[in-house]
Amino acid sequence: AQSVTQLGSHVSVSEGALVLLRCNYSSSVPPYLFWYVQYPNQGLQLLLKYTTGATLVKGINGFEAEFKKSETSFHLTKPSAHMSDAAEYFCAVRYTGNQFYFGTGTSLTVIP
Amino acid sequence: GAGVSQSPSNKVTEKGKDVELRCDPISGHTALYWYRQSLGQGLEFLIYFQGNSAPDKSGLPSDRFSAERTGGSVSTLTIQRTQQEDSAVYLCASSLGGRGTEAFFGQGTRLTVV
Repeated sequence: AQSVTQLGSHVSVSEGALVLLRCNYSSSVPPYLFWYVQYPNQGLQLLLKYTTGATLVKGINGFEAEFKKSETSFHLTKPSAHMSDAAEYFCAVRYTGNQFYFGTGTSLTVIP
Repeated sequence: GAGVSQSPSNKVTEKGKDVELRCDPISGHTALYWYRQSLGQGLEFLIYFQGNSAPDKSGLPSDRFSAERTGGSVSTLTIQRTQQEDSAVYLCASSLGGRGTEAFFGQGTRLTVV
């Protein structure tokens, strides 16, 4: 079965510290990978995506993610957390089918 | 409009009533999705429309749920005989349809069944 796993439903970091949000997928075919952010009472906004080509992908707000096929991972990172980064983050995968498969989300808290 | 528009933004209904949720996708987007997000949960796929193809209804949780997309644009999600477990945020998204294209989401409709 195709699935996405986000390890850690809640992550807390200090302001200025590294942000690392984990995402692993299971797939027998090459995936297309996405990270979305959701602020309170809003819809989801695309942070970045991997389709083909360079495995290190840069997105908005200083976030980046690296596709590692050998580890079936697509972890999201940001070198220095900002208070405005506090939000819910979703990893999503798309295979040969029609729908996006979303992880259960990781809530990021930034401690001043 | 520039983005995906959903209405109403909030809906409170009595158990047993029918509700209709509307989604206006981005102009030119051929693909349209409905997802449900329950409190503290991830996104649950409901239904997918792509152009004139038959919709993928595999995510609809029961026959009380249905959706249509008229003229390849506006979509309506209908929930009949609402139950309290239907309370959730219903998110609509649209995309250009290619496998590598991202989905653009609306703000959602928060449905509360009392």
